[in-house]
Amino acid sequence: DADVTQTPRNRITKTGKRIMLECSQTKGHDRMYWYRQDPGLGLQLIYYSFDVKDINKGEISDGYSVSRQAQAKFSLSLESAIPNQTALYFCATSDLTNSPLHFGNGTRLTVT
Amino acid sequence: GIQVEQSPPDLILQEGANSTLRCNFSDSVNNLQWFHQNPWGQLINLFYIPSGTKQNGRLSATTVATERYSLLYISSSQTTDSGVYFCAVDSNAGGTSYGKLTFGQGTILTVHP
Repeated sequence: DADVTQTPRNRITKTGKRIMLECSQTKGHDRMYWYRQDPGLGLQLIYYSFDVKDINKGEISDGYSVSRQAQAKFSLSLESAIPNQTALYFCATSDLTNSPLHFGNGTRLTVT
Repeated sequence: GIQVEQSPPDLILQEGANSTLRCNFSDSVNNLQWFHQNPWGQLINLFYIPSGTKQNGRLSATTVATERYSLLYISSSQTTDSGVYFCAVDSNAGGTSYGKLTFGQGTILTVHP
């Protein structure tokens, strides 16, 4: 979905490095999410935010942190990357409480 | 937490065939969505359907919330339908969904020309 932009698209990093994945959206949605997808599996929620002052942990938040810099921007950081964080990371947005989720194109992260 | 099971895990079709994908869930839901992940990894929202029936072109979906399942129908399949189909639900019992979706493992669909 071109309205939800993730950067970078691909990233290779070494164990122990700190990296940041960025997400920006032009949809005007208040709610933003970070999901992780491991090969052959569904998605798992890492963190979510309902507005700039609201940050919540998802089911697999250990080893990750987030920052909601503005309504349109939501960043995910890996403080000290480890190989089992190798995965496809998706940012998503939604508008109202019960409404469709819109995903970005994903960031493929490899930790060596 | 809520359990989401999708079947079949894999499905191979010839172009033009019809198919039905199923999603069973273990608790009442107030948010159910179907997604298609194409071979390039992009996730496309197909339906937001916590109950009832919706249609969009060759695709339609039905959710029977009282019986805790949803079906995705693909008619006259095309090679571009290939990919993984995910069902995702939110079971917040208070009636408000916060978009914290629990995903099934997906159905891998391959459509041959």
